[in-house]
Amino acid sequence: EVQLVESGGGLVKPGGSLRLSCAASGFTFSNYNMNWLRRAPGKGLEWVASISSSSGDLYYADSVKGRFTISRDNADNSLFLQMDSLRVEDTAVYYCARGGAYGSGWGQGTLVTVSS
Amino acid sequence: EIVMTQSPATLSVSPGEGVTLSCRASQSVGSNLAWYQQKPGQAPRLLIHTASTRATGIPARFSGRGSGTEFTLTISNLQSEDFAVYYCQHYNNWPPWTFGQGTKVEIK
Repeated sequence: EVQLVESGGGLVKPGGSLRLSCAASGFTFSNYNMNWLRRAPGKGLEWVASISSSSGDLYYADSVKGRFTISRDNADNSLFLQMDSLRVEDTAVYYCARGGAYGSGWGQGTLVTVSS
Repeated sequence: EIVMTQSPATLSVSPGEGVTLSCRASQSVGSNLAWYQQKPGQAPRLLIHTASTRATGIPARFSGRGSGTEFTLTISNLQSEDFAVYYCQHYNNWPPWTFGQGTKVEIK
């Protein structure tokens, strides 16, 4: 069974940083593209970033480009999202998801709140 | 950029009834469309990919149709566990993953 468990969320002030982690199990992590998505309060799902299976290709939404960095450790079956220069509008539940074209497995999410 | 528009925003339905949700793309996405279900506090769950193929473990009461710019998700014989928000997502030229704004199916 595909399991994805996010961690690292919390309360941070505008301009601050957080590093999210996603622990994967139940599948061969190194074979899959991985993604971060988010859902802000009262809004729909928004794609944030994607990384190819070998980390050779990285993609970012315009809203986070230059501030967020996606990475992975295939030896440890882990996905990461380094979030710098956080803004109030980055407040959301962040999900990791498996897949290239669409999400065939999702984690439960971790809440990031950016507030002074 | 392709924009996905879902309608209606909210559907009020009684258990046991059927319901059809709509998703429209601003330009053709072929059959590159997925549907997800999300319940409060839970992870999104993939229901349908390639417009009409049910994901593993998804009951037959969920069915997807369409191609090009017009898509539907039909849920027959609504069960209590089906009340949720449903999103469509196109994956023509991904990434990014582009979602509709969602349709909430609520109990009447």
